[in-house]
Amino acid sequence: SQTIHQWPATLVQPVGSPLSLECTVEGTSNPNLYWYRQAAGRGLQLLFYSVGIGQISSEVPQNLSASRPQDRQFILSSKKLLLSDSGFYLCAWERADTQYFGPGTRLTVL
Amino acid sequence: AQSVTQLDSQVPVFEEAPVELRCNYSSSVSVYLFWYVQYPNQGLQLLLKYLSGSTLVESINGFEAEFNKSQTSFHLRKPSVHISDTAEYFCAVSPMIKAAGNKLTFGGGTRVLVKP
Repeated sequence: SQTIHQWPATLVQPVGSPLSLECTVEGTSNPNLYWYRQAAGRGLQLLFYSVGIGQISSEVPQNLSASRPQDRQFILSSKKLLLSDSGFYLCAWERADTQYFGPGTRLTVL
Repeated sequence: AQSVTQLDSQVPVFEEAPVELRCNYSSSVSVYLFWYVQYPNQGLQLLLKYLSGSTLVESINGFEAEFNKSQTSFHLRKPSVHISDTAEYFCAVSPMIKAAGNKLTFGGGTRVLVKP
């Protein structure tokens, strides 16, 4: 069976610090992968998606970037965090036109 | 482009009472439809989905939703709720035909609070 992991589960970072969130999927190969952000009062927003290694599509211009160095690994990064980057970050993988979500990372930028 | 409207942001309901969560969508192309549930501080769990076939779909824990193409709706219902159904519910759509990636568009969510 397939499982999806995200870490860390929670993170508190100062403004201006770097960020790296990791997502890995087990039990499948070459999945489509997605990063979403859930911010208070703003619903769920698609940030990036990837259909293969090194292939990243950005949905919203922002302070964040994504990379896919391996088939089942998806990384969300920032060089300098902003207060507005606070939120709940969710990674998802896709099978048969359906997306399945990871447990999420709660990021608080102070 | 697609848009999804969940008409109720919060729904309080008593235990063992029925509940209906409304979802309407707008799209210029045919779509797949989904309901996800989110418990506090957790990720989204797929509750049920409509991809094709029967317009009435059911989940293993008693929820059902009906796809109504003419009304562009996908309302979620449960005849008798439990305390454990307290959560936030998200309706989402994605286009059937996609160039690359399968972009989900979410509604704003409906918080269900089940009272004893």
